[in-house]
Parts: sequence; structure tokens; C-alpha cells
Amino acid sequence: QVQLQESGPGLVKPSETLSLTCSVSGGSISPYYWSWIRQPPGKGLEWIGYINYNGSTNYNPSLKSRVTLSVDTSKNQFSLKVSSVTAADTAVYYCVRTIRYSSSLNWFDPWGQGTLVTVSS
Amino acid sequence: SYELTQPPSVSVSPGQTASIPCSGNKLGDKYVCWYQQKPGQSPVLVIYQDTKRPSGIPERFSGSNSGNTATLTISGTQAMDEADYYCQAWGSSTVVFGGGTKLTVL
Repeated sequence: QVQLQESGPGLVKPSETLSLTCSVSGGSISPYYWSWIRQPPGKGLEWIGYINYNGSTNYNPSLKSRVTLSVDTSKNQFSLKVSSVTAADTAVYYCVRTIRYSSSLNWFDPWGQGTLVTVSS
Repeated sequence: SYELTQPPSVSVSPGQTASIPCSGNKLGDKYVCWYQQKPGQSPVLVIYQDTKRPSGIPERFSGSNSGNTATLTISGTQAMDEADYYCQAWGSSTVVFGGGTKLTVL
């Protein structure tokens, strides 16, 4: 059974870069896609982007200019960087396996437990 | 940009059927998934590809999608089903989530 665990700083200063890593256990990172999804406190879900084991990416257009995803298959990990953060980036960040059959057929399962990242000075 | 609209809240009595709608332009032409999120927990996939249930999801959960509306139906609703529910689809080359519906079982 695949399990995902997010790790990284829980507090980031405004204008700096948020960095998180997701460790995948119980299965290989190949051949799946892997997404980051965030949820501001008390609000809904926002997809950030996905990456596959080959490093192919797709980003939410609203965040694309500030987001970078990367993958390390040797460590069974993938990572997220969000640059120039503001208070609006405060959220619980989830790493999620993405089952993708086509550009229009995909779903998210399972989800990591999530990690709260607060942007504050 | 593509949008999915859900009612903020739905109430149901225990044992009754709950229906949670998700609307979007020509949503029936897209594939819809549904996620359940209980307080303090991560979302869990309950329906994918409009109507399919992942392993371990009770049979009382079902989905449909036609026209401009997808619907998550919970038959014989139990107290444990009280949660937030989110619909999700792909639109305009990006993932789109509905705003979420809080299901209250009372």
C-alpha cells in the first residue's frame, strides 16, 4: 500500500521560496504521476501541478510562474518549490499520487497527510 | 477559466439519501471524481471516472454525470458520512475542484 509523507519547513518568510519534499513508500515512483495540491485554512482545494517519473510536468496556469516540481527516482521522492511567497500561499500542502489515463481522465489517490506551511515574517 | 459549482451545504437525516450536485458547462462531456474530507484529515477518493468506486469505498456511495451536472449520491446515509465533499474534473487544460459541500447528517 503506497504511503506518502510530506516534509519541509512549516514557516517561510514573505518573498522567500517554499520548499517541500514528498517521500513515497510501499511502491515505486514509476510509472505514476505525482501532484501537489494545497488547501488554505478553512478553504477549498487547489491543484498546483504534477510531475511524472520522467520529469514531465504540468502546472496550474495561475501558479506556473512561481512553481517548480522535480523528481528523484533514486530516492523515491518528488519535490515542490514555490518562489516569492506571500501570505496567500499559507496552506496545508498535500502530495498525492495521480492516476492518469489521458489528458482528461485522471484522479488523485492516495493523499499524504498534509503539512501546514505558514508564510509570515 | 472552467468552473465547478457546488452548494455550500447539504443536510440529510440518518438512513436517508443525500445528493450532492456539482455543476459546470458541459460537465457531462468530462470525467468527474469526488473526494470526501473529514475534519483534520486528508481527502479520500470516493468516486472516479463519474461512477466508479475505489476498493474499500462502501456501496452506498454512487455517482452520475450528465448534461451540466454531476451528482454524488449517498444511500442510507450514516453519521460517519458527515464530511466535506469536493468534485473534480479537468477543464481548460488544468485540474479544477468545486468549492466543496459540507454534508450534515442530523
